[in-house]
Amino acid sequence: ETGVTQSPTHLIKTRGQQVTLRCSSQSGHNTVSWYQQALGQGPQFIFQYYREEENGRGNFPPRFSGLQFPNYSSELNVNALELDDSALYLCASSLSDSPNSPLHFGNGTRLTVT
Amino acid sequence: KQEVTQIPAALSVPEGENLVLNCSFTDSAIYNLQWFRQDPGKGLTSLLLIQSSQREQTSGRLNASLDKSSGRSTLYIAASQPGDSATYLCAVRGIQGAQKLVFGQGTRLTINP
Repeated sequence: ETGVTQSPTHLIKTRGQQVTLRCSSQSGHNTVSWYQQALGQGPQFIFQYYREEENGRGNFPPRFSGLQFPNYSSELNVNALELDDSALYLCASSLSDSPNSPLHFGNGTRLTVT
Repeated sequence: KQEVTQIPAALSVPEGENLVLNCSFTDSAIYNLQWFRQDPGKGLTSLLLIQSSQREQTSGRLNASLDKSSGRSTLYIAASQPGDSATYLCAVRGIQGAQKLVFGQGTRLTINP
């Protein structure tokens, strides 16, 4: 059983640029969530996708957007990068969008904005 | 708004000791609480998930308890080993905004050989 995989593992971008991060969910999982983790902090919820539709969003501006594909893989896009966007971006998948369905996290993408 | 607090922020103990990590949350209307482990620069590994109707869960040397009415959970680690060194995070899934986990800031644990 393949776990959650994220790419790339590390990324360096310049302020104002755009970035796309990718996530392959665990086999059989149809729900994907994205979290942002600043250094020394707990992860913060960005949004969740269930069967290709966004079904929940945290306090992040519209320049954070996402997609989920028919195979349930997902992308996180961030436009107009700011220095504060530097963080570890974590993707998690779950068997369903049920609140009792445990999340399984990938190893994250470390984004540095200079 | 749900807030999750973990105390202490850091803990250093000698190998072999039993220890307790604490987690508190402000809104008791939750579906479940989950404990995770995070190694430096890595993702999160789920350790234990406690449903709101449960009082505790056990896995090997780990035992997590939940007191929903008081908004508290503890993670008990028995016979600690250097390999247990990591950051431990607790997260709650509230009935309001059930799509998201709300995390504490974590406890950074160091087990000294």
